[in-house]
Amino acid sequence: GAGVSQSPRYKVAKRGQDVALRCDPISGHVSLFWYQQALGQGPEFLTYFQNEAQLDKSGLPSDRFFAERPEGSVSTLKIQRTQQEDSAVYLCASSLALAGVPDTQYFGPGTRLTVL
Amino acid sequence: AQSVSQHNHHVILSEAASLELGCNYSYGGTVNLFWYVQYPGQHLQLLLKYFSGDPLVKGIKGFEAEFIKSKFSFNLRKPSVQWSDTAEYFCAVNGHDKIIFGKGTRLHILP
Repeated sequence: GAGVSQSPRYKVAKRGQDVALRCDPISGHVSLFWYQQALGQGPEFLTYFQNEAQLDKSGLPSDRFFAERPEGSVSTLKIQRTQQEDSAVYLCASSLALAGVPDTQYFGPGTRLTVL
Repeated sequence: AQSVSQHNHHVILSEAASLELGCNYSYGGTVNLFWYVQYPGQHLQLLLKYFSGDPLVKGIKGFEAEFIKSKFSFNLRKPSVQWSDTAEYFCAVNGHDKIIFGKGTRLHILP
């Protein structure tokens, strides 16, 4: 596609519910990243994939957060038993390059998650 | 630890004023530096980047940034701002893979 797309754009969840956020990267992009952006803050790294391999998940805040990219294209970020502190915009980015090669990351519009 | 510091959280300027947004980073290895912009209601877009070579980098919409290695800085400049430059600006550093962002600077241009 022309850019990175994310769905849904907005999600409201009750505390304790599970949510799944989807990211469609730019076609052919090898690397895919998830970031969390809290209100008034810059994006913070969550996890990173190269094709289907999750190479770095050091930014995931707890074991309630899980990400996958089973076929090396679309990725899903799942949050189990959501808490109010999970409320944020979740950004997905993709880049053409392999790990260790500097490249531009292209960002999607984000999913704004609100946990009540 | 890797970090990015943006000096100004909120800047208000009149049209045609000159702009400089400060950015300092802390990183132990070879760095790649970025400025991203987020216009109201839109997603993050790359403004400019530095990977290597000429430390003065020119980006879109008349923006430029200078990498000063000795000062660990990558300040963003524009000689004459426009109302349409109203946005949030993020400085970022990337070592191997993930990008470390600053907290952002909200720029408001008065018409």
